[in-house]
Amino acid sequence: SYVLTQPPSVSVAPGKTARITCGGDDIGSESVHWYQHKAGQAPVLVIHYDSDRPSGIPERFSGSNSGNTATLVISRVEAGDEADYYCQVWHSGSDHVVFGGGSKLTVL
Amino acid sequence: QARLVQSGAEVKKPGASVKVSCKASGFTFTSYDINWVRQATGQGLEWMGWMNPNSGKTGYAQKFQGRVTMTADTSINTAYLEVSNLRSEDTAVFYCARAGSGFHTGYSDSWGQGTRVIVSS
Repeated sequence: SYVLTQPPSVSVAPGKTARITCGGDDIGSESVHWYQHKAGQAPVLVIHYDSDRPSGIPERFSGSNSGNTATLVISRVEAGDEADYYCQVWHSGSDHVVFGGGSKLTVL
Repeated sequence: QARLVQSGAEVKKPGASVKVSCKASGFTFTSYDINWVRQATGQGLEWMGWMNPNSGKTGYAQKFQGRVTMTADTSINTAYLEVSNLRSEDTAVFYCARAGSGFHTGYSDSWGQGTRVIVSS
């Protein structure tokens, strides 16, 4: 089965830049989507197809994907960005949707 | 805009079954696959499977095959997830989510509010 590996936690000071990685075998050849999930709420799509932002998502959110690593970048981090972030791909080999284990973003 | 509203919390005994509903509005229900995702206590998001409300076609994660059934009633724009033979490890929040591109092979752009299922004797 296809495995996506994320760091369990990422910490950043307000106003700084957070980078959350998602590792997978040749993930650069897959389309990666990112979700923000706050406790008690439904997940929210923040990036789709590696780097596209859905309407309503601030420009501070961006993404990239190459080689074995996809990255979600949050610029000028705010307290309200504190949440769990998940990467997701569809793995054609198994016809399965796969989520990374999630990364907890803490704003110091 | 697209909206998914799920049924309320459930408490079940081990070995029982649970059926969660997900009512869609604001979009053409039969044009989008519906994914089901769960979050067990203290765990991350876990994909359970997908279904196409128009064709009834489904695809289940290997882990859940044989224990999960996904269906839909297009007359009332509602998708259902049934999980049988519940065990304590199934205590979780279950989410339905619309496949934004129409197909389960992409992203999920609209999510239900979640249904908490507690399995306890």
